[in-house]
Formats: sequence, C-alpha cells, structure tokens
Amino acid sequence: DQQVKQNSPSLSVQEGRISILNCDYTNSMFDYFLWYKKYPAEGPTFLISISSIKDKNEDGRFTVFLNKSAKHLSLHIVPSQPGDSAVYFCAASDSGTASKLTFGTGTRLQVTL
Amino acid sequence: NAGVTQTPKFRVLKTGQSMTLLCAQDMNHEYMYWYRQDPGMGLRLIHYSVGEGTTAKGEVPDGYNVSRLKKQNFLLGLESAAPSQTSVYFCASSRDRVYEKLFFGSGTQLSVL
Repeated sequence: DQQVKQNSPSLSVQEGRISILNCDYTNSMFDYFLWYKKYPAEGPTFLISISSIKDKNEDGRFTVFLNKSAKHLSLHIVPSQPGDSAVYFCAASDSGTASKLTFGTGTRLQVTL
Repeated sequence: NAGVTQTPKFRVLKTGQSMTLLCAQDMNHEYMYWYRQDPGMGLRLIHYSVGEGTTAKGEVPDGYNVSRLKKQNFLLGLESAAPSQTSVYFCASSRDRVYEKLFFGSGTQLSVL
C-alpha cells in the first residue's frame, strides 16, 4: 500500500515558467513532509520541508504548500531553471512513531530551454 | 568533508553469493539508514539504527542483515543474494529525530544475476 503517491512520473517545463510537483498521502498521522531532489548517480539531497501546523513554507524559488484536508502537498519552483532538472521525491513522517520516512515514487522534472 | 560514503559503488553478484555494503559517515550522526530504490517504487527502508549497537527493521528487511558496531559505520549484508535484490542501495544518516534532514550517500548499484 503506497502511503505517499506521486502520480506524475515526469513533468516537462520551459525555463522561466513555474513547475508544480504534486504529492498525495493517505496516512492521516503524517505530520511532517519533506521534498528531496536527486540528480543521476547521486544520492537524494534535502530541498524543503513543512510541518502540519503550517500550510506554506518558502525558501527562495521553492515553495511547498500543504492541504491537510485533502492530504495533498505540492512543490512550486518559480522560475524554473535548467539546473532544476532532476527527480523529486516527496516524503512524509509521523513524528509519534518509529524512525522512518515514507517516500513517494518520484517525479522526473525536465526544464527545457 | 566527506559526509556519507558508500562502498562499493557497483557490484555484480551471482545468485546465492554473499556480500557486505559499507556505509561510513563523518558527521557524528546517531541515526543511520539503508534504503533501496527500485523503478516505480521510490525509496524503501530496509533497516535502520538509532545509535551504536542498535538496529531495527524497516519496510523491506527480508534477505538483509545489518550491524552498527561503531557509530560511524553501518553495514548491510546479503547472505544469499537473489535477483529480486537487484537495486540501487542508499545509505543515509541524520542527527537525531526521523524528520530531521537525511544526508544520503551516492548509492551502490547492485545487480544479481
């Protein structure tokens, strides 16, 4: 049972435009959410996070939105740059239970010139 | 600053062979993790450790064993490799609670023939 879902395996966006990556979760106990970015032949690196007490968190060009009632989060990248081309994983955690993050399946973003 | 180092980077095994993947971190992190990444499955937790001398099972522990004899090292063992264990393996570490940012190694590509 996939508790964290990224339904779009890939996304192509033009440079300068907005990229929107989506993530849905089913476990209502999840209260902390993160986005990781992964380049080929490298490990994932942390990008941005959000706690369930917030509905938005911003860091430069990256903004994460959380809609708890819909169990949905999204990552907005504005403006998109070619260096943003990577696989993006969302991940969720229940801070009250055992030590693990549950990852989504990833979305491959390609930013074209 | 090396961060999280995994060895080897690539390995090909025959069914039934054994091997050990080594993970080393130089950040004095308490928590260490082993994940596997498969197409369409995202990252799944195999085993993790919350401190030296401790280990615990993750989502997909069958066929793997781990040891954390020293705080900086986390070893993943395959006693009798199977083709289903063909995957990319990532080690990660974190300072304390699970929702802290994970620092990942660059991965080990393992093929079991």
